[in-house]
Amino acid sequence: KQEVTQIPAALSVPEGENLVLNCSFTDSAIYNLQWFRQDPGKGLTSLLLIQSSQREQTSGRLNASLDKSSGRSTLYIAASQPGDSATYLCAANDYKLSFGAGTTVTVRA
Amino acid sequence: GAVVSQHPSRVICKSGTSVKIECRSLDFQATTMFWYRQFPKQSLMLMATSNEGSKATYEQGVEKDKFLINHASLTLSTLTVTSAHPEDSSFYICSARLGTGGIGYTFGSGTRLTVV
Repeated sequence: KQEVTQIPAALSVPEGENLVLNCSFTDSAIYNLQWFRQDPGKGLTSLLLIQSSQREQTSGRLNASLDKSSGRSTLYIAASQPGDSATYLCAANDYKLSFGAGTTVTVRA
Repeated sequence: GAVVSQHPSRVICKSGTSVKIECRSLDFQATTMFWYRQFPKQSLMLMATSNEGSKATYEQGVEKDKFLINHASLTLSTLTVTSAHPEDSSFYICSARLGTGGIGYTFGSGTRLTVV
């Protein structure tokens, strides 16, 4: 059974700092890994999807890397802003999504 | 992009009653949809997978008779919480797979169910 772990569980940084969110998964036989953002009481917004054959994906200030062999993915958010405050979830897709518990990010103005 | 519309966003019901949550794919056909449950400060737990025109597949520990899933068309899946109790209060989210294999998923906006 796929197990997904996210570290840290919570993170608080001043505005402008770069954010590094970690995700690890136990079974490397995945199609892809997807990062989501969840605001309180809301659904999930897809941020980035990295196919198993890719090493990284970038969208604006967001960059996600994937090392399938070691079962790790990292989400980098450059120059954080208060609007980045949310919970970030990673999910490993082996034809079914397995989610981590998330990292709750607070960016202080 | 592919959008999944979920409603209601919030519902309060009395203990013992049933509640139906709808999930619609607006601009694509979703042959497979997924239902998740999320407790406060916890991750999403997959409850069941619904396939259009066939019976849903439930995850271990999920009561089939309590959580009825219907996927009667390629654009609509429903979750009915029957005889709801306070412990069923939770955040329910639906999702649709985009295409086959490793294409990704899109999610509804979630339903906050409170049973009083």
